[in-house]
Amino acid sequence: DTGVSQDPRHKITKRGQNVTFRCDPISEHNRLYWYRQTLGQGPEFLTYFQNEAQLEKSRLLSDRFSAERPKGSFSTLEIQRTEQGDSAMYLCASSLDALVYNEQFFGPGTRLTVL
Amino acid sequence: AQSVTQLDSHVSVSEGTPVLLRCNYSSSYSPSLFWYVQHPNKGLQLLLKYTSAATLVKGINGFEAEFKKSETSFHLTKPSAHMSDAAEYFCVVSEPTGGFKTIFGAGTRLFVKA
Repeated sequence: DTGVSQDPRHKITKRGQNVTFRCDPISEHNRLYWYRQTLGQGPEFLTYFQNEAQLEKSRLLSDRFSAERPKGSFSTLEIQRTEQGDSAMYLCASSLDALVYNEQFFGPGTRLTVL
Repeated sequence: AQSVTQLDSHVSVSEGTPVLLRCNYSSSYSPSLFWYVQHPNKGLQLLLKYTSAATLVKGINGFEAEFKKSETSFHLTKPSAHMSDAAEYFCVVSEPTGGFKTIFGAGTRLFVKA
C-alpha cells in the first residue's frame, strides 16, 4: 500500500502525559499536513511542512504541540502535558508541491483519548 | 480571508432520488475547491476537485459539482442516491498563495433511506 500511513491508530492516555504520533506520507510528496478533527466537525488545520521546513502553524497549535519532519520524509506530532480537550482525531495528509491545486491524500488518522 | 459554509448539517434522501449538498465559499483569490467524503471509521477520500478548468466537475461514484463564481457556490449533486453514499461530506477551499490555506467546511451528514 503506497498511501499515507499513521501510527498508532488509537491512543489512550492520562491527562498530563506526553504522546507522539507518526505520519508516513506518500513517498514522492513534498508537502505534509497535520489536522485535528473533533466529533461533528471538519478537520482543522494545525501545521504544514514543505520538505523538512515547517512553513505555517495554526494558532490552534499551542506551545504544548510540536511537529517535526527531520529528513523531509516521515513526520511526528508530539503533544506534551495532554489535556482532556486534546481528545480528537489527528489526521495527516500529503501532497505534491503543485502550483495549480493542492490535492491532499489523507491517512486513516490517530484517535487520541485523554482520560 | 477564505471561508467555507456548508448550508446543511444533515441531508436525508431516499435511495434512487437526487442528492444535493450545498456549499458556499469566500476567497480573496481564485481558489481550488474540493469535495471529500468520510465514511465511518475510514479516511477522507477525494470525490472531485475544481482547479479553474471546466466549471462542471465530475467525480467518482457518479457525483458532480458545479462552480458558480457569481454565486460563490460549489454544490455537490448526484442524480440517484445509493445506500453506500451514506457518509459525511466536506467541502474544502484552498488558495494558491505563497503560504498555505486550506479550510474545511463543518460537514454534511448524508442519510440514505431504503
